[in-house]
Amino acid sequence: DSGVTQTPKHLITATGQRVTLRCSPRSGDLSVYWYQQSLDQGLQFLIQYYNGEERAKGNILERFSAQQFPDLHSELNLSSLELGDSALYFCASSIPRVASGQETQYFGPGTRLLVL
Amino acid sequence: QQQVKQSPQSLIVQKGGISIINCAYENTAFDYFPWYQQFPGKGPALLIAIRPDVSEKKEGRFTISFNKSAKQFSLHIMDSQPGDSATYFCAALGTGANSKLTFGKGITLSVRP
Repeated sequence: DSGVTQTPKHLITATGQRVTLRCSPRSGDLSVYWYQQSLDQGLQFLIQYYNGEERAKGNILERFSAQQFPDLHSELNLSSLELGDSALYFCASSIPRVASGQETQYFGPGTRLLVL
Repeated sequence: QQQVKQSPQSLIVQKGGISIINCAYENTAFDYFPWYQQFPGKGPALLIAIRPDVSEKKEGRFTISFNKSAKQFSLHIMDSQPGDSATYFCAALGTGANSKLTFGKGITLSVRP
């Protein structure tokens, strides 16, 4: 158990809909990362938040957005869903690199999204 | 542009054999190279990591070999066991507070009993 929790575990929805995925980082971790994992694209970095602020952006679609709240939990919002958005969505957290001297990201169990 | 490339795409090894997974990177600014292991239905988990100032790091049956001039690093799993069957991702991280981990596409290792 990494200490990172994600809900829900599974999500089935229809095209055009909007969903929200939730992540709670490990206690004390300030950074939260979101990844999308699909069979053909591997593990794709979407976005990073650090202590409530957006820190880095990856291959995140404009239909997707995220935020990190004062209690450090994060939500990933996916809207106008398409069939191709079906994937595993992982959240990871880490302590500040300056503090740890290295970058270890701890991954949650993921949310499996199926868009029909 | 894929900055971190893994090979082979999949690997089948007999129990007790050596599993070797290779990774090549392009960005010379990378300075931290972890390997992640992912079992079906689980999130990736850090297995072992190396910095470019050392050429090899060993933890139990897992060894990373690093070749800075060739911009390559590899994971060796000695005495491979069926429980090692998983997907393995190499990754690389650049310097700076805003750097992010760049993952390879992953390879699926199957260890036959």
